[in-house]
Amino acid sequence: AQSVSQHNHHVILSEAASLELGCNYSYGGTVNLFWYVQYPGQHLQLLLKYFSGDPLVKGIKGFEAEFIKSKFSFNLRKPSVQWSDTAEYFCAVTPNTGGFKTIFGAGTRLFVKA
Amino acid sequence: DTEVTQTPKHLVMGMTNKKSLKCEQHMGHRAMYWYKQKAKKPPELMFVYSYEKLSINESVPSRFSPECPNSSLLNLHLHALQPEDSALYLCASCPSADSYEQYFGPGTRLTVT
Repeated sequence: AQSVSQHNHHVILSEAASLELGCNYSYGGTVNLFWYVQYPGQHLQLLLKYFSGDPLVKGIKGFEAEFIKSKFSFNLRKPSVQWSDTAEYFCAVTPNTGGFKTIFGAGTRLFVKA
Repeated sequence: DTEVTQTPKHLVMGMTNKKSLKCEQHMGHRAMYWYKQKAKKPPELMFVYSYEKLSINESVPSRFSPECPNSSLLNLHLHALQPEDSALYLCASCPSADSYEQYFGPGTRLTVT
């Protein structure tokens, strides 16, 4: 069965620390990959996406993610986090079958200390 | 207009009630989704409508009945729910099969008493 694993459920960082959140998926075919973010009290919004091409993608607010096909991974990174990055981060995968089905990882709660 | 709107924001209903959740988008998106999200959990896919036709039903109990009257509107009809159905119900839309990124609404917080 298709699945998405996020390695860290809770992460606590100080401001200016670097961030890396792991995401691995299980699906043998072509996939579309996403990171969504849910800030406290706000709705889910797209942080960045990968469909094809350059495996290093940049999103909003200084986030980037790297698709490593051989490792079935799509890790999220940010060189220097801010207090305002406190949120829940979800990795999501849509197999490229034209079916629109999206599988979400369990999420990582990030708390950034000011 | 780049929003997905959902009404109502909150809903409390008894187990014998019938109610409906509404979702609207005016971005011309061709796929619309219903998700259920429990506290501290990821969204769980319930239904997908693609070009106004039901394309995915993730084995959702029949007490949940989706409807897509037109390309901008998605309803979720609720009947004879159980307390364990209490959750945040999220609607999302997606431009097309060429772009699977989803735009989420704020959700309806449902409590079943």
